[in-house]
Amino acid sequence: DTGVSQDPRHKITKRGQNVTFRCDPISEHNRLYWYRQTLGQGPEFLTYFQNEAQLEKSRLLSDRFSAERPKGSFSTLEIQRTEQGDSAMYLCASSHPGGGQPQHFGDGTRLSIL
Amino acid sequence: QKEVEQNSGPLSVPEGAIASLNCTYSDRGSQSFFWYRQYSGKSPELIMFIYSNGDKEDGRFTAQLNKASQYVSLLIRDSQPSDSATYLCAVLHGSSNTGKLIFGQGTTLQVKP
Repeated sequence: DTGVSQDPRHKITKRGQNVTFRCDPISEHNRLYWYRQTLGQGPEFLTYFQNEAQLEKSRLLSDRFSAERPKGSFSTLEIQRTEQGDSAMYLCASSHPGGGQPQHFGDGTRLSIL
Repeated sequence: QKEVEQNSGPLSVPEGAIASLNCTYSDRGSQSFFWYRQYSGKSPELIMFIYSNGDKEDGRFTAQLNKASQYVSLLIRDSQPSDSATYLCAVLHGSSNTGKLIFGQGTTLQVKP
């Protein structure tokens, strides 16, 4: 049972550039979640999918952010026109369906904006 | 008031002692509660989850839930230096079918040899 896989592990980019992150969930999990974590804080919810349907989006997910899960397997999170405040760890998690199921996190993608 | 509150610490305990980590939450309708451990620079790792009032034990870890007091705790018995990490309390938001976890800011635990 392989865990949640995220790619890349680190991304350094200049302000104004677009970035895309990928997440591959645990194979039998049909729910996939994205969170963002900044230093000294707990993760903040961004969005989640059940299969290919995006069921909830946070107000944190501005129009510069978009997430997809086109075939209900892997997911991508894109940030357009990056800003300094986007620097954070972006975490992906997956779980079995249904509320209350434990979410298992990947290693995260650390984004640094120059 | 934050939705999930934890004392940021650090909480310092000697090796072999019991570490007690506490968390309060504001949404009285919350049904599912989770504890994650996060080492510096790493991602959160699930340790325990609890849904019903009372205690739930798993090895050296015990989660305690009191819904009337809106209080969740994690006890770590026989603390080891390898337990030194940040412990995150997470509460499932809203209805039972939602997927949104609300996290506290975490409590840093230091176990001294």
